Amino acid sequence: GNSVTQMEGPVTLSEEAFLTINCTYTATGYPSLFWYVQYPGEGLQLLLKATKADDKGSNKGFEATYRKETTSFHLEKGSVQVSDSAVYFCALKSSGDKLTFGTGTRLAVRP
Amino acid sequence: DAEITQSPRHKITETGRQVTLACHQTWNHNNMFWYRQDLGHGLRLIHYSYGVQDTNKGEVSDGYSVSRSNTEDLPLTLESAASSQTSVYFCASSESGRTGELFFGEGSRLTVL
Repeated sequence: GNSVTQMEGPVTLSEEAFLTINCTYTATGYPSLFWYVQYPGEGLQLLLKATKADDKGSNKGFEATYRKETTSFHLEKGSVQVSDSAVYFCALKSSGDKLTFGTGTRLAVRP
Repeated sequence: DAEITQSPRHKITETGRQVTLACHQTWNHNNMFWYRQDLGHGLRLIHYSYGVQDTNKGEVSDGYSVSRSNTEDLPLTLESAASSQTSVYFCASSESGRTGELFFGEGSRLTVL
């Protein structure tokens, strides 16, 4: 079956530090891949997505590249801000319209 | 603006009681989903629907039921609440056949004592 594995958190960084959150997946076929973000007290919202191998999704300074050879979709940002503090979820969509989510990684950014 | 709303946002109930969480979306999406969020487990799919009168079980459906009588609503019912069902519940919707963007509600925090 489909599964998503994320690095465990929490990840604590100083402002302007470089961020990487690792995500690997197992899926049949050719899944679409997503990163969702959850700010405190809110629901999840889409951050970025990639629908085929070698695609790069990007939004708000975050990037992730769909690597089929390593079954990975790592999230990166060059310079994090305090406002980026949130929980980040990696997810995949294979057949049908359901999404399978990872366990989430909490990011805390210190001023 | 289109939106998806959940109610109640917070509820405390007792073991054995029936509880219904409401979800209403104005996106006119065919797909609707219920997830629960627990520490260490992320989001797990409870039930989902691809249209009116269609319902399907997710990976953690035991003790839960849903019904879809119109496009806008997918209520989630806990037939006999158990302490293991204490969680935060999220409803989401999406367009059929799109690349998978889900639109989430703000969540319903349920405590079963």
